[in-house]
Amino acid sequence: EAQVTQNPRYLITVTGKKLTVTCSQNMNHEYMSWYRQDPGLGLRQIYYSMNVEVTDKGDVPEGYKVSRKEKRNFPLILESPSPNQTSLYFCASSPSDSPYSNQPQHFGDGTRLSIL
Amino acid sequence: SQQGEEDPQALSIQEGENATMNCSYKTSINNLQWYRQNSGRGLVHLILIRSNEREKHSGRLRVTLDTSKKSSSLLITASRAADTASYFCATAGANSKLTFGKGITLSVRP
Repeated sequence: EAQVTQNPRYLITVTGKKLTVTCSQNMNHEYMSWYRQDPGLGLRQIYYSMNVEVTDKGDVPEGYKVSRKEKRNFPLILESPSPNQTSLYFCASSPSDSPYSNQPQHFGDGTRLSIL
Repeated sequence: SQQGEEDPQALSIQEGENATMNCSYKTSINNLQWYRQNSGRGLVHLILIRSNEREKHSGRLRVTLDTSKKSSSLLITASRAADTASYFCATAGANSKLTFGKGITLSVRP
């Protein structure tokens, strides 16, 4: 089954404790992206990747890191999480090596992070 | 901003009725997409309409696009309780990434 898989689905942690949210897709998609969803603000893009070893900042990249060492994986890293990063996070992928091709995106089921 | 804005923010209808949701945007686009999000789940792509198209159908969904008014509408006909979800429009121009609106909450009462 074609899917985007995120782990963990839920995480409660404390300020400053490094964490990684994994994202994996099995559709051989070039483009992958991370979003955060907050009430009243909709989805905002954090980082995206057009292909292996190519990443770029989205609209709200502060406090986050990403890497794209393999085509299928695109982990989101919070080096020193803070309470304002409490949010619902989504990973998405699409079959294009350009962020401007505007192909439909496939989303994971989300990761709900609570930073205390 | 390229971001689409959906209207209304919330909609409650009876099962069997039609649901109409609107999206307005500010600048020219390549295409406009509609997504659905069930509670606690990721977004699911519903339909894409290109800037040179005016109307598109997919099952019970009908999407229209009016580039002169910079607006789109999503019509769900003969709604079901299972259509209860949040709906998002997403827009992108020639050199900009896909940008999502804040969403519309649809409640379909059995």
